[in-house]
Amino acid sequence: ETGVTQSPTHLIKTRGQQVTLRCSSQSGHNTVSWYQQALGQGPQFIFQYYREEENGRGNFPPRFSGLQFPNYSSELNVNALELDDSALYLCASSLVGAASYEQYFGPGTRLTVT
Amino acid sequence: GDSVTQMEGPVTLSEEAFLTINCTYTATGYPSLFWYVQYPGEGLQLLLKATKADDKGSNKGFEATYRKETTSFHLEKGSVQVSDSAVYFCALSHTGNQFYFGTGTSLTVIP
Repeated sequence: ETGVTQSPTHLIKTRGQQVTLRCSSQSGHNTVSWYQQALGQGPQFIFQYYREEENGRGNFPPRFSGLQFPNYSSELNVNALELDDSALYLCASSLVGAASYEQYFGPGTRLTVT
Repeated sequence: GDSVTQMEGPVTLSEEAFLTINCTYTATGYPSLFWYVQYPGEGLQLLLKATKADDKGSNKGFEATYRKETTSFHLEKGSVQVSDSAVYFCALSHTGNQFYFGTGTSLTVIP
């Protein structure tokens, strides 16, 4: 069974640029969620995708957008980067319809905006 | 809105000491409750969970009981090891759609 993988591991961008982060879900999972984890804080929910559609969104502006592909992999896109976007971005996959609500997390992408 | 509050860290304990990390929550209805652990340089791993009141989640010597009356889900371990050094996050979710995490509690266990 393959776990959740994310790429790249680290990324440095300049304010105003755009960035795309990628995630491959755990085998058999049909839902992917994205979280932003600022230094010293807990993960904050950005949004979730299920069947290639957004299935819930946290308190993040529209410049945070995403995609889910038929193979359940996913992208997080952030436009017009701001310094405060510097954080660890976590992807988590889960299986809708499973008895529990467990989410399985990837190792994250560390984004630094300068 | 829903939220989770964890005790402030960092926590430093000697090996074999007793561990308690407090977690309280605010939520409508009856969410599922979770403890996740994050080891240095790694993503979050599910440690244990409880899906209804009075349930006790347990794993690797850690335990937590879902207390509806006190809206709490405190994490405990009777004898910590150096390998338990990590950041621990309490979280809740109603449907698995959105998880709410606490700010995390850093634990360092010294030999």
